[in-house]
Amino acid sequence: DAGVIQSPRHEVTEMGQEVTLRCKPISGHNSLFWYRQTMMRGLELLIYFNNNVPIDDSGMPEDRFSAKMPNASFSTLKIQPSEPRDSAVYFCASSPGGVTFGTQYFGPGTRLLVL
Amino acid sequence: AQSVTQPDIHITVSEGASLELRCNYSYGATPYLFWYVQSPGQGLQLLLKYFSGDTLVQGIKGFEAEFKRSQSSFNLRKPSVHWSDAAEYFCAVGAEGGATNKLIFGTGTLLAVQP
Repeated sequence: DAGVIQSPRHEVTEMGQEVTLRCKPISGHNSLFWYRQTMMRGLELLIYFNNNVPIDDSGMPEDRFSAKMPNASFSTLKIQPSEPRDSAVYFCASSPGGVTFGTQYFGPGTRLLVL
Repeated sequence: AQSVTQPDIHITVSEGASLELRCNYSYGATPYLFWYVQSPGQGLQLLLKYFSGDTLVQGIKGFEAEFKRSQSSFNLRKPSVHWSDAAEYFCAVGAEGGATNKLIFGTGTLLAVQP
């Protein structure tokens, strides 16, 4: 099993540009999570999907952030326009569905730097 | 609301010494509790979890944790630390509600191991 795959691993962009982060969950997992990690705020849950449907997006910071899951094997997190304060490591995680608090498997993360 | 506190931001131990990382939670009912480890540049990996039953939980890499309801604690322990255990450790609690798989993470404890 390849685990959770995230791309790109590193992204450097300029303020105002659009950024798209991608995630491929583990095959067969029904739940997908996007997290953001910074020194100041620690690990924050941004949004959570179950069976491709967004369940909880209360952690999405503002309208500049959007997430989609068009099918069970792909999700994107988009920031438009990006700002320097969006610089962080963004993690995607997946979990087996139908199991309360099933183990979440994390991807390696995308390190985003907005100049 | 559920919350997790890890009072130690940074801990240094000597290789071969014992380790205890503290975690306190706030939750109205029996919590679902987790410990994750994050090696530099990597995503989080589950060490162990507690749902119910035996309050002493065994995990991977020789770690264990004990759930103490009276103290609202779920401390992580290891009898003899190896240099490869140097990493950041996160305690998490499962949050009830619509997002039944949502985890609330603590701020993490960074473990350094001295030779």
